[in-house]
Amino acid sequence: DTGVSQNPRHKITKRGQNVTFRCDPISEHNRLYWYRQTLGQGPEFLTYFQNEAQLEKSRLLSDRFSAERPKGSFSTLEIQRTEQGDSAMYLCASSLGGAGGNQPQHFGDGTRLSIL
Amino acid sequence: TQLLEQSPQFLSIQEGENLTVYCNSSSVFSSLQWYRQEPGEGPVLLVTVVTGGEVKKLKRLTFQFGDARKDSSLHITAAQPGDTGLYLCAGMTTDSWGKLQFGAGTQVVVTP
Repeated sequence: DTGVSQNPRHKITKRGQNVTFRCDPISEHNRLYWYRQTLGQGPEFLTYFQNEAQLEKSRLLSDRFSAERPKGSFSTLEIQRTEQGDSAMYLCASSLGGAGGNQPQHFGDGTRLSIL
Repeated sequence: TQLLEQSPQFLSIQEGENLTVYCNSSSVFSSLQWYRQEPGEGPVLLVTVVTGGEVKKLKRLTFQFGDARKDSSLHITAAQPGDTGLYLCAGMTTDSWGKLQFGAGTQVVVTP
């Protein structure tokens, strides 16, 4: 299966610790997205990359969050000094890039973060 | 406040019944996607609609995009227990360039 892969699937950590998640997109996709989903809600956009360039960041992405996609392939999302409110499912999606950005996005199974 | 409002929030029906889920907004979308999500998994893409008035069918599922591209519906005929899941609509506005705006989802439960 060559779908979007996310690691780890689950992460439990104490408040104040740093965590890093990894996303491997579908290989031919040049766009990569990060979303956050809390219980009872749909996913909320965090940021996206076209190749290695980070083109947009949501206001939800505080200074404690940073995302990279150094070679335009896999991406990492780091959260520093985690807080209780960071507990959520972090989803990665990828798509082909095209005019108007209407290409469908394909999601990984997410990383569930629990802050103790 | 979600840009896309989905209704109902929860739907429980018996196997063999029909159901319709609605997705409404005051914004115009360049495209709209429907996903199904199961617990502990990521959303799985069902369909993308891009043209106002477009109707797409996927076996027992029928998707419609409103003429003004502000709303959409998903109709399931003769629902089966395997249709159980969280149905999410997600739209892309003309200025969002790839950023999907999701509704809160409709939880559908189909009992045998």
